[in-house]
Amino acid sequence: SQQGEEDPQALSIQEGENATMNCSYKTSINNLQWYRQNSGRGLVHLILIRSNEREKHSGRLRVTLDTSKKSSSLLITASRAADTASYFCATDAWAGTALIFGKGTTLSVSS
Amino acid sequence: NAGVTQTPKFQVLKTGQSMTLQCAQDMNHEYMSWYRQDPGMGLRLIHYSVGAGITDQGEVPNGYNVSRSTTEDFPLRLLSAAPSQTSVYFCASSYNGGGDYGYTFGSGTRLTVV
Repeated sequence: SQQGEEDPQALSIQEGENATMNCSYKTSINNLQWYRQNSGRGLVHLILIRSNEREKHSGRLRVTLDTSKKSSSLLITASRAADTASYFCATDAWAGTALIFGKGTTLSVSS
Repeated sequence: NAGVTQTPKFQVLKTGQSMTLQCAQDMNHEYMSWYRQDPGMGLRLIHYSVGAGITDQGEVPNGYNVSRSTTEDFPLRLLSAAPSQTSVYFCASSYNGGGDYGYTFGSGTRLTVV
């Protein structure tokens, strides 16, 4: 399988805390993307980081990428109950024409 | 814009039956792909397309066919349904795969094969 791995598989925190999820992948990439999936729904694109970038910010999201270790992390600051969802990292595959997904991290934020 | 539209949302099939899952996008995206999502397995790529008339296999293509006669539509056909194909199926599209907007996903089709 070409799938990557997210760590941890599940994460429970209180509102206001920060949440950090990690992703490891197996192949060389042009970019890495993070998606959110609310229960029973489709995936929503959060942020994309290119292989020549080390860090990227978008609102309360911070993504880092270490291509030498084939790993990425997603930090959500000041979490809210509405952040409760599953989070997936995905790398470009087949020359960038499709995505390879990790197995996801389930985040639960309680108020 | 409607984005990516998948139909039906739910379907129950008997083993051996065939059916087509529909996927349509109105964003003039060239890249389209089909994934299946199973518990504990994340999303796995079934087939993908980089434009009308061009399709290719992904990680788990067995038992599925696709065609792309127009930019807008990318149907997924189950030839002879098996219980192992019970899953949630997602269609996705992208302008070029690597832009800041990534892929747009449909809301999924939940398929049960009995």
